[in-house]
Amino acid sequence: AQSVTQLGSHVSVSEGALVLLRCNYSSSVPPYLFWYVQYPNQGLQLLLKYTSAATLVKGINGFEAEFKKSETSFHLTKPSAHMSDAAEYFCAVSRTGNQFYFGTGTSLTVIP
Amino acid sequence: SQTIHQWPATLVQPVGSPLSLECTVEGTSNPNLYWYRQAAGRGLQLLFYSVGIGQISSEVPQNLSASRPQDRQFILSSKKLLLSDSGFYLCAWSLTGRSNQPQHFGDGTRLSIL
Repeated sequence: AQSVTQLGSHVSVSEGALVLLRCNYSSSVPPYLFWYVQYPNQGLQLLLKYTSAATLVKGINGFEAEFKKSETSFHLTKPSAHMSDAAEYFCAVSRTGNQFYFGTGTSLTVIP
Repeated sequence: SQTIHQWPATLVQPVGSPLSLECTVEGTSNPNLYWYRQAAGRGLQLLFYSVGIGQISSEVPQNLSASRPQDRQFILSSKKLLLSDSGFYLCAWSLTGRSNQPQHFGDGTRLSIL
């Protein structure tokens, strides 16, 4: 079965500091992996996706994520946090074609 | 390009009243369609998904039902709402049969039950 674990339900960083949001997946076969961002009272917006091509994936808003098979991880990073990055972030995995499995989310706070 | 529309944006309903939330997708054919619920400060709970007209899969037993009367229309319904039905409801679509493609979400409906 697929599952996704996001370590840290709340992460706080200072403006300009590195953002690191952790995601680990469990799967016997490398899955397809996604990161989404959700702003208050809005739907989820796709940040980036890994689909078996390059292991370092660049997304929107300066975010990127690296697929590490040996660690079964797909952590999301951004070199310098901006106030507008404050939001909820969800990692998701897909393999069967019909369903996604979402993590429980990480709330990012950016401190001015 | 594809777009997804979900309405209403907010809804306040009394306990025991019926519910109908609608979602439509434009710019694609035969999409997979999904209904999620998000409780306050919680993750996403998949409620229903559909791979075609009239084909609905339910993920959890509950007070809600879903229908897909047309290819790009997905409706979430209830005959009698419960307090526990409060939450943020999200509709999503994805390309059928393509597991490497993302789900795309609507803007959500905030449902409050009084």
